[in-house]
Amino acid sequence: EAEVAQSPRYKITEKSQAVAFWCDPISGHATLYWYRQILGQGPELLVQFQDESVVDDSQLPKDRFSAERLKGVDSTLKIQPAELGDSAMYLCASSLAGLQRYEQFFGPGTRLTVL
Amino acid sequence: AQSVTQLGSHVSVSEGALVLLRCNYSSSVPPYLFWYVQYPNQGLQLLLKYTTGATLVKGINGFEAEFKKSETSFHLTKPSAHMSDAAEYFCAVTLVTGGGNKLTFGTGTQLKVEL
Repeated sequence: EAEVAQSPRYKITEKSQAVAFWCDPISGHATLYWYRQILGQGPELLVQFQDESVVDDSQLPKDRFSAERLKGVDSTLKIQPAELGDSAMYLCASSLAGLQRYEQFFGPGTRLTVL
Repeated sequence: AQSVTQLGSHVSVSEGALVLLRCNYSSSVPPYLFWYVQYPNQGLQLLLKYTTGATLVKGINGFEAEFKKSETSFHLTKPSAHMSDAAEYFCAVTLVTGGGNKLTFGTGTQLKVEL
């Protein structure tokens, strides 16, 4: 069964360092999402791509976060510099385009700890 | 704008007992509604979804939910709890408008199943 792949699964870094997370969506899924889940809360959307274009990045802290999906397939989310408050689970999801885009499939996530 | 309220951050049931997890939503237009389950340090798995049509929807692992427009609710139930149901459950809503369709999640309910 096709799955969303994410790496690394766990990342520990010190504040002010740069970190990057990678996501490979299910083959054929045009829409890709990055969510942040703080411990004890539900996930919140950071950025949504349709192919290589950003559809929604209204909740992305653009002073330190960046995301790209250059060829419309896999994606990278970067934080520079990392802050203590960035400690969270970062989830990637993907969906088909069109009317089926509402059903999102999630990867296993990357748990980030900032010391 | 849409929002989701999950009543009860922690629910405890005995094995074999009824599971009832509550979810109320707020939406200006008819929403699509979802329940996801999350096991420790893993991503989210879709349990079931409501889009249109029949208001009682059945999902995986014996779970079901009923969309009640008059009560703006989408409660999750399972007739008989199993130890393997212990996990965190998230209710989510999306509005399928334009190109964006972000999921708005509730804060989650941790389900504990006791012998």
